[in-house]
Amino acid sequence: AQSVTQLDSHVSVSEGTPVLLRCNYSSSYSPSLFWYVQHPNKGLQLLLKYTSAATLVKGINGFEAEFKKSETSFHLTKPSAHMSDAAEYFCVVSDSGNTGKLIFGQGTTLQVKP
Amino acid sequence: KAGVTQTPRYLIKTRGQQVTLSCSPISGHRSVSWYQQTPGQGLQFLFEYFSETQRNKGNFPGRFSGRQFSNSRSEMNVSTLELGDSALYLCASSATRPSYEQYFGPGTRLTVT
Repeated sequence: AQSVTQLDSHVSVSEGTPVLLRCNYSSSYSPSLFWYVQHPNKGLQLLLKYTSAATLVKGINGFEAEFKKSETSFHLTKPSAHMSDAAEYFCVVSDSGNTGKLIFGQGTTLQVKP
Repeated sequence: KAGVTQTPRYLIKTRGQQVTLSCSPISGHRSVSWYQQTPGQGLQFLFEYFSETQRNKGNFPGRFSGRQFSNSRSEMNVSTLELGDSALYLCASSATRPSYEQYFGPGTRLTVT
């Protein structure tokens, strides 16, 4: 079965410093992987997606993620945090069997200090 | 294009009642999925509809049901509400099936008292 594990439930950084949100996945086949962001009282916004093309994926708002099959990881990074980046981030893997079902990690809360 | 819209945004219901939530997908999108988000269980898949047919269902009791109309709008219904049904219910649409590039609405916050 497919699953994702977000290694940190809470990450705190200072504004202007790099962001690293860690995600490991488990999949019996070549998965599609995503990062979504959720701001308070809002829905989910797609940040970026990996679908077996380039292993380094660039997303919106300066975020990027690298797919590493050997490490089964898909960590999200950003060179310089902004106050507006404070939100909950979800690592997501596609289910098998072309079901269209997404499987979410438990989320990482990113706090950005001034 | 307008995004995914969900109505109502907030609901308060009493245990034992039933509730219907509505979702309008992005224009041209034919697939609609529903997810439940709670602090304890996180985000969990409820079901997916495509061309008015339920294509996939998550591990939820039969009290949770849904349907999709010919214009791709979708509704989900929860009967005999329980306190544990209090959650944010999110709808997502996608252009094709299967598609994992799903676009989410703002959600309906359901509180059961």
